[in-house]
Amino acid sequence: DAKTTQPPSMDCAEGRAANLPCNHSTISGNEYVYWYRQIHSQGPQYIIHGLKNNETNEMASLIITEDRKSSTLILPHATLRDTAVYYCIVRAMDSNYQLIWGAGTKLIIKP
Amino acid sequence: NAGVTQTPKFRILKIGQSMTLQCAQDMNHNYMYWYRQDPGMGLKLIYYSVGAGITDKGEVPNGYNVSRSTTEDFPLRLELAAPSQTSVYFCASRRTGEISYEQYFGPGTRLTVT
Repeated sequence: DAKTTQPPSMDCAEGRAANLPCNHSTISGNEYVYWYRQIHSQGPQYIIHGLKNNETNEMASLIITEDRKSSTLILPHATLRDTAVYYCIVRAMDSNYQLIWGAGTKLIIKP
Repeated sequence: NAGVTQTPKFRILKIGQSMTLQCAQDMNHNYMYWYRQDPGMGLKLIYYSVGAGITDKGEVPNGYNVSRSTTEDFPLRLELAAPSQTSVYFCASRRTGEISYEQYFGPGTRLTVT
């Protein structure tokens, strides 16, 4: 599985867009990019996933570069409740779906 | 739906004791997973199951055992607890063939071995 690199921490002002980067330069053609978040020791929560097209849902947008070597998760209007650790995971969509988790990015939303 | 439930929420064990962490889901998901998370780290997969009667090892299975006799339940057994098993344990499940491959997580069990 491709390895991902994320900054260990980021700050963002409440109400602004939070842009979380992820590098995955060794990603393979059949590997998807998944994002999960974990709010203060709760179980992780799925946010979004994508293969090569940009994706948007009610929680966030995912922008994947054309060469697929990096991506950005965008929370359009961050709130204090978005303070969490955000995990970027690259994985092929096989039947067992074992996710390999890194340390993630600690996002702190400031009032 | 209650989703994924885990019991107990907290537990302190002495070295050498045994215990079972319970996990149940009411979403009729075939796939279930056990992870552990050490402080400041990501999750590591211990065991997983693709359906009743079928289990397989993940990344860190040593010191643990699992069983899957029903679709709903996936207990994790710790035999001869060691301080290295102090961690937060998460259970997760997902549908078969779900295009998003979203995993649903329980609230976790915080285990301390002293």
